[in-house]
Amino acid sequence: NAGVTQTPKFQVLKTGQSMTLQCAQDMNHEYMSWYRQDPGMGLRLIHYSVGAGITDQGEVPNGYNVSRSTTEDFPLRLLSAAPSQTSVYFCASSYAGTGYEQYFGPGTRLTVT
Amino acid sequence: GENVEQHPSTLSVQEGDSAVIKCTYSDSASNYFPWYKQELGKRPQLIIDIRSNVGEKKDQRIAVTLNKTAKHFSLHITETQPEDSAVYFCAAGTSNFGNEKLTFGTGTRLTIIP
Repeated sequence: NAGVTQTPKFQVLKTGQSMTLQCAQDMNHEYMSWYRQDPGMGLRLIHYSVGAGITDQGEVPNGYNVSRSTTEDFPLRLLSAAPSQTSVYFCASSYAGTGYEQYFGPGTRLTVT
Repeated sequence: GENVEQHPSTLSVQEGDSAVIKCTYSDSASNYFPWYKQELGKRPQLIIDIRSNVGEKKDQRIAVTLNKTAKHFSLHITETQPEDSAVYFCAAGTSNFGNEKLTFGTGTRLTIIP
């Protein structure tokens, strides 16, 4: 099993550009989520999904969109990048929700200039 | 929503000594409390977790205690080793359908001094 994979590993965007961060898991997990990690602020939940076709907002959803058309994939879209979105983004998945171990991807380091 | 506070933000201990990291949470509905370890440049990984129906859980040199009344939980690492140096995150969440959010603390950077 590859576990949770994320692409790209690094990305530089200009303000106003859009892009999609990819996340995939091969463990047949129902729950998937996106976090951003900023120095001194821990991991903050952006969006999550409890299954295909179902998504919901987390703590910091503004400026981001998600969709979940399959169990395996959970892409995160930045609509119009801003310098405040410079961060490390982690995708995670778990068997059935937040009461189970979260398996994190390797992360994407995004810089917006 | 849930608010998780974690202390201290940095901690240095001599190799072989014990380390304790403390967290408090605000939502009495939270019933699952995991701890994650993140080494430099790596992804967070679960090291131990505890559910609200248990007061203490131990796994070799690592233990977690939970006080539901006071809404706080702690990570204890005994006989610390250099490989314990990392950032540790606590989290609180519910495993109830319809409220599937996990809230993390801000992290503790633990340094083990050889």
